[in-house]
Amino acid sequence: DIVMTQSPDSLAVSLGERATINCKSSQSVLYTSNNKNYLAWYQQKPGQPPKLLIYWASTRESGVPDRFSGSGSGTDFTLTVSSLQAEDVAVYYCQHYYSIPLTFGGGTKVEIK
Amino acid sequence: EVQLVESGGGLVQPGGSLRLSCAASGFIFTNYAMSWVRQAPGKGLEWVSTISGGGGGTHYADSVKGRFTISRDDFKNTVYLHMNSLRAEDSAVYYCAKDGGSSPQFFDYWGQGTLVTVSA
Repeated sequence: DIVMTQSPDSLAVSLGERATINCKSSQSVLYTSNNKNYLAWYQQKPGQPPKLLIYWASTRESGVPDRFSGSGSGTDFTLTVSSLQAEDVAVYYCQHYYSIPLTFGGGTKVEIK
Repeated sequence: EVQLVESGGGLVQPGGSLRLSCAASGFIFTNYAMSWVRQAPGKGLEWVSTISGGGGGTHYADSVKGRFTISRDDFKNTVYLHMNSLRAEDSAVYYCAKDGGSSPQFFDYWGQGTLVTVSA
């Protein structure tokens, strides 16, 4: 099974500042045949289901603000919120879909400093 | 507009059974894989099962293999999760999710979830 490890577990960022979340997979999730990274990011606010932010490691889902961006390849990935807004307070999860079983990272809680 | 509406959750005794349903609308149901993802209270997300679109196969997490069965009715646009031999550790909010394609991948739409509590 591919283990997804997120860091940090939580972070507090001032409004308007950058938030960076890391996700590391225990093996590569890059499919060399199509050069795609099978990695997604989700945002979950309290009492709500998760919301897809990013897929294929860097493709922003329709309607997601452009302050959210994903980067990385192979085993190391990053979700960046370029200018944190109050509505971005949430838990963020990475997920691989390279193989079965699909697995999620443990989550990163983002708060306002 | 894509909508996923789960039902069937509730309180069940250990060893009991439950069937969850997820009614889907707003997209061509048969073309997409459908999944169940659960979240225990205060915990993270755990993928449970996926059924591929277009008559494809089924996939399960080891933690539920042999106890849970996923199925779909493409005429009713509904996906089901039949849960048997339930354990306390199966207690969670169960989310129905639409996959981004016909095979297991990322989840682009989620239902609001249905709570399953396994307790005597």
